[in-house]
Amino acid sequence: GENVEQHPSTLSVQEGDSAVIKCTYSDSASNYFPWYKQELGKRPQLIIDIRSNVGEKKDQRIAVTLNKTAKHFSLHITETQPEDSAVYFCAASMDNYGQNFVFGPGTRLSVLP
Amino acid sequence: DTEVTQTPKHLVMGMTNKKSLKCEQHMGHRAMYWYKQKAKKPPELMFVYSYEKLSINESVPSRFSPECPNSSLLNLHLHALQPEDSALYLCASSQSDKYFQPQHFGDGTRLSIL
Repeated sequence: GENVEQHPSTLSVQEGDSAVIKCTYSDSASNYFPWYKQELGKRPQLIIDIRSNVGEKKDQRIAVTLNKTAKHFSLHITETQPEDSAVYFCAASMDNYGQNFVFGPGTRLSVLP
Repeated sequence: DTEVTQTPKHLVMGMTNKKSLKCEQHMGHRAMYWYKQKAKKPPELMFVYSYEKLSINESVPSRFSPECPNSSLLNLHLHALQPEDSALYLCASSQSDKYFQPQHFGDGTRLSIL
């Protein structure tokens, strides 16, 4: 089955700096890669996603890049703000309808004022 | 606003009790999910319902029994749970008739087994 690794497990950055979180997946059949942000005691919220036929996607301060050959995808957050502090989970899905997600172990991001 | 609503928010039960978790969505999604999330861990998929039929069961113990009475509701019936079942139980939904659709999560039910 699919296995998703995520690095780093914790990340501290100064406010205004950039943050990068990287995930690798094992199954080349995976074709959909969402990223979720989960604040303490809250639900996971989708922040961005990318499909396997796209190499990069951007939404304001957030971008995701996908390298299918190397089987890795990365989340980039620019101009970080204290409210970006949360746990970020990447996920990979092999089925076309995105029903069977495998999540990475998570990255705890702390943005220091 | 949360579009997937879960009740109750908190539940404490003994190992011999029977209780149910409820999940409701009105986004017209035809796929609904139950996840279990332990502290500092990612969500783990338990069950998937697609068009009210169970399509994925990730080898979950029989003390967890899912039910999807209609396209908007999803229940998780609990019986004879163990202390290690204490966790946050998340419900999610997604469109099941389009490719590459994200899952939308509810706020979860925090379950404690005494």
